[in-house]
Amino acid sequence: NAGVTQTPKFQVLKTGQSMTLQCAQDMNHEYMSWYRQDPGMGLRLIHYSVGAGITDQGEVPNGYNVSRSTTEDFPLRLLSAAPSQTSVYFCASRLGLATDTQYFGPGTRLTVL
Amino acid sequence: KQEVTQIPAALSVPEGENLVLNCSFTDSAIYNLQWFRQDPGKGLTSLLLIQSSQREQTSGRLNASLDKSSGRSTLYIAASQPGDSATYLCAVSGSGYSTLTFGKGTMLLVSP
Repeated sequence: NAGVTQTPKFQVLKTGQSMTLQCAQDMNHEYMSWYRQDPGMGLRLIHYSVGAGITDQGEVPNGYNVSRSTTEDFPLRLLSAAPSQTSVYFCASRLGLATDTQYFGPGTRLTVL
Repeated sequence: KQEVTQIPAALSVPEGENLVLNCSFTDSAIYNLQWFRQDPGKGLTSLLLIQSSQREQTSGRLNASLDKSSGRSTLYIAASQPGDSATYLCAVSGSGYSTLTFGKGTMLLVSP
């Protein structure tokens, strides 16, 4: 199993550009989520999904869109990038319930100029 | 709103010491608590998961305890090694499909 994979590893955007961060898992996990990690702020939940076709907002959803058309993939879209979205983004997945171990991808380091 | 605090924020110890990392949470109505390890520039790796009905979990040199009523958990690392150097995060969650709430982590440095 590859586990949770994320692409790209690094990305530099200009303000106003759009892009999609890719996340995939091959463990047949129902639950997938996106976090951002900022110095002094810790990990904050952006969006999550409990299954294909079902998504919901986390703590900091503004400026981000998600969709879940398959069990395996959970892309995160930045529609119009802002410098405040400079961060490290982590995708995570777990089998389903909160009592299941959560697995994290290696992260995408995004800089918005 | 659940808040998770980890103390200390950073810790530096010589190799071989036993050490304790602390995690506290404001809402005791949790269903489980997880401890994660994060190496620089990497993602998080789950170390231990304690369900609310459990008091502790052990994996090798790691032992995590949970006191729900007081809103506290500790991660005990025995005979620390330089390879233990990393940031350790704790996270709590409720039942069902609940999301995780993370602390900001303790950055551990073990010197040879």
